[in-house]
Amino acid sequence: EAGVAQSPRYKIIEKRQSVAFWCNPISGHATLYWYQQILGQGPKLLIQFQNNGVVDDSQLPKDRFSAERLKGVDSTLKIQPAKLEDSAVYLCASSLPPVPGDIQYFGAGTRLSVL
Amino acid sequence: DQQVKQNSPSLSVQEGRISILNCDYTNSMFDYFLWYKKYPAEGPTFLISISSIKDKNEDGRFTVFLNKSAKHLSLHIVPSQPGDSAVYFCAASARKSSGDKLTFGTGTRLAVRP
Repeated sequence: EAGVAQSPRYKIIEKRQSVAFWCNPISGHATLYWYQQILGQGPKLLIQFQNNGVVDDSQLPKDRFSAERLKGVDSTLKIQPAKLEDSAVYLCASSLPPVPGDIQYFGAGTRLSVL
Repeated sequence: DQQVKQNSPSLSVQEGRISILNCDYTNSMFDYFLWYKKYPAEGPTFLISISSIKDKNEDGRFTVFLNKSAKHLSLHIVPSQPGDSAVYFCAASARKSSGDKLTFGTGTRLAVRP
């Protein structure tokens, strides 16, 4: 079974530029998550999709971050414009519909450096 | 406000001995707890979980203990192996009120010495 795919693995940009990350979840997984992990901290949920609808985006900085999940499969996360404090690893995860005991499966992440 | 805390940023253990990783939480609504393991340049992988209706869950060398009154859980690895060297994250969710949204701790880096 293929895991969660993310690209690119690394991205270096200058502040005020824009950047986009892509995620392909495990086949059949209806729920998709984007997390931000800043160095020395645990992953923080940015947005959760159930199929192509947003379940939770309470911690997404909506003035600069946006995400979409077209057709309920792949997803993209965009930052525009980027700030220095956006330097982090962006992790995508997926799971089956929320049931007790379901597990979130993570991709390898995209490491973003904003200079 | 850090609702899930892992106060030990690192731990070093001799191969074959027990590793004990600790986690504290403050939100009494949390009812499901998980441990994830992360190797460098990889995403976190699920290790073991426990529901708040239990106080212990065991899977091979890994056992998680939950003390609800103290809002504390621990992960025991016995015996520890060099391949266990990784960063371990404790995570919690309040399933009845917030679904499966996870709140992670800051992680503990475990080093198992041969």
